[in-house]
Amino acid sequence: AQSVTQPDIHITVSEGASLELRCNYSYGATPYLFWYVQSPGQGLQLLLKYFSGDTLVQGIKGFEAEFKRSQSSFNLRKPSVHWSDAAEYFCAVGPSGTYKYIFGTGTRLKVLA
Amino acid sequence: EAGVVQSPRYKIIEKKQPVAFWCNPISGHNTLYWYLQNLGQGPELLIRYENEEAVDDSQLPKDRFSAERLKGVDSTLKIQPAELGDSAVYLCASSFTSSNEQFFGPGTRLTVL
Repeated sequence: AQSVTQPDIHITVSEGASLELRCNYSYGATPYLFWYVQSPGQGLQLLLKYFSGDTLVQGIKGFEAEFKRSQSSFNLRKPSVHWSDAAEYFCAVGPSGTYKYIFGTGTRLKVLA
Repeated sequence: EAGVVQSPRYKIIEKKQPVAFWCNPISGHNTLYWYLQNLGQGPELLIRYENEEAVDDSQLPKDRFSAERLKGVDSTLKIQPAELGDSAVYLCASSFTSSNEQFFGPGTRLTVL
């Protein structure tokens, strides 16, 4: 069955520290992969996506993610976290070229001043 | 460019009452989606419209939920009657076509007492 796992429900980091949010997926073929961010009271905003090609993907707000086929992972990283990055982050997968996204349960990021 | 607009942002009702949510997608977007997001979970697709046609409503609980997209622009999602378990955030998203990036609205947070 297709699934997405975000093993960390909550993560707390200090401002300026590096960040890595984990995402593992189970899928029959290479899916499309996404990271979304949801700030309180807001909708989901796309940070980055992977369809094919270079496995290191650059996104908005200084985020990047690396697709590792052997580990079925698509972890999100940021070298230096800002207080405004505090939000909930969702990983999603979907069949190539279609709309059927499967979302993970999210990781809530807290940033300490 | 205006994003996806949803109203109301918050709604509190008593169980067994009807409720309706409204969504105005991004101009020119032919595909519209309604998602359900339970607390601590990622969004789950309820229904997808291509223009005015509901092309995927397999996850919509049709005994109490209904949706429409008259004229292929705005859409309304209705619950009648509401149950306690319907308390959640209802997200609307739109995309140019079903294979393009989805843009999410801020959602309607429903509380059923």
